[in-house]
Amino acid sequence: NAGVTQTPKFRILKIGQSMTLQCAQDMNHNYMYWYRQDPGMGLKLIYYSVGAGITDKGEVPNGYNVSRSTTEDFPLRLELAAPSQTSVYFCASSYSSRFGYTFGSGTRLTVV
Amino acid sequence: AQTVTQSQPEMSVQEAETVTLSCTYDTSESDYYLFWYKQPPSRQMILVIRQEAYKQQNATENRFSVNFQKAAKSFSLKISDSQLGDAAMYFCAYRYGDNAGNMLTFGGGTRLMVKP
Repeated sequence: NAGVTQTPKFRILKIGQSMTLQCAQDMNHNYMYWYRQDPGMGLKLIYYSVGAGITDKGEVPNGYNVSRSTTEDFPLRLELAAPSQTSVYFCASSYSSRFGYTFGSGTRLTVV
Repeated sequence: AQTVTQSQPEMSVQEAETVTLSCTYDTSESDYYLFWYKQPPSRQMILVIRQEAYKQQNATENRFSVNFQKAAKSFSLKISDSQLGDAAMYFCAYRYGDNAGNMLTFGGGTRLMVKP
């Protein structure tokens, strides 16, 4: 019953460093999403994918990149980390709009 | 673009009492879905309840129910017999159409505190 698995759960980065947030789902969902949640705020969409090999930008894509080589995996890449990217990152997947998302447990990222 | 507004940043309720969280949304679509998510301190996002716009009947899940007013574009969440475990952030969310590629748009959240 893994659902959506995100790693790592916590990470501290120095300004200018890069890292990849991993996301994997085992439900054969075609649709996957990355959101960020700033303190005390709602979730904002970074990138999404409607299937392997297809990705598109969301509301706040600057400073991030994604790839979707398989149905299961949807990693989020941060290049040249900045303090403004300090946030909690959620990956989610979906089979149908009727049933909402299945969320991962989130990654808390701090850039210092 | 669709927007979702939660006008109450914080709410508090006495244990065993009833509380209503407000949500309004803006859309020109007629086919859409609405959701309430709960985010406890563990930060896990948990689906509480959902409503299909074409259904007039308000959704109910145990102690949780909604008041869906389509014409007013309002979607409030009522929690009855509040419990300490209900303390959390609550997010209202909107999703249009029947294409799963369509994204959820979230409100800013309401923090619910439950007093013993």
